[in-house]
Amino acid sequence: SYELTQPPSVSVSPGQTARISCSGDALPKQFAYWYQQKPGRAPVLVIYKDSERPSGIPERFSASSSGTTVTLTISGVQAEDEADYYCQSKEGSGTSWVFGGGTKLTVL
Amino acid sequence: EVQLVQSGAEVRKPGESLKISCKGSGYSFTNYWIGWVRQMPGKGLEWMGIIYPDDSDTRYSPSFQGHVTISADKSANTAYLQWSSLKASDTAMYYCARRGGSLYYFDYWGQGTLVTVSS
Repeated sequence: SYELTQPPSVSVSPGQTARISCSGDALPKQFAYWYQQKPGRAPVLVIYKDSERPSGIPERFSASSSGTTVTLTISGVQAEDEADYYCQSKEGSGTSWVFGGGTKLTVL
Repeated sequence: EVQLVQSGAEVRKPGESLKISCKGSGYSFTNYWIGWVRQMPGKGLEWMGIIYPDDSDTRYSPSFQGHVTISADKSANTAYLQWSSLKASDTAMYYCARRGGSLYYFDYWGQGTLVTVSS
């Protein structure tokens, strides 16, 4: 079955830049999406179509794509950005969607 | 305002059946796919499947096919997730979410329904 691979954890100090990667063989053919999930809350979409930011999401959230890897970048990380982040996409030729395993962002 | 409101927490015994719901409002319910996502305690998000309420076209993840049933009642603007025989391993938070138009992502999420299966 298709998988998206993320690092389990990333740690940064406030004001620094956090980068979270997501790798998957079908990512050159399918868009990637990113969600933020804080404890006890439903996920929130922060990036769609590889690099588009929904309204209401701060400009410090951005993303890029290169080959089989997509990267979520959070510039000037704030304490409130501490959360789990999940990438998501669709398998190349089938109908299933898939989530990455999630990355816990810790703000030191 | 788009809202997805899910039914409340449930506690069941192994072998029992269960149906949880997700009611949409603030948009044309029949024109957007509704998906279900499982999150087991302390674990990540898992895509279970998705339904188009207008004609009940349904797609399942191979991991969940045959274990759950996704349905919808367009007259009630409500989608459902049901089990015929629960297992302890079904204990999890279940989220419904609306697909964002023609693309493959969720733009709005319900608040989640916690299902606990324990003898």
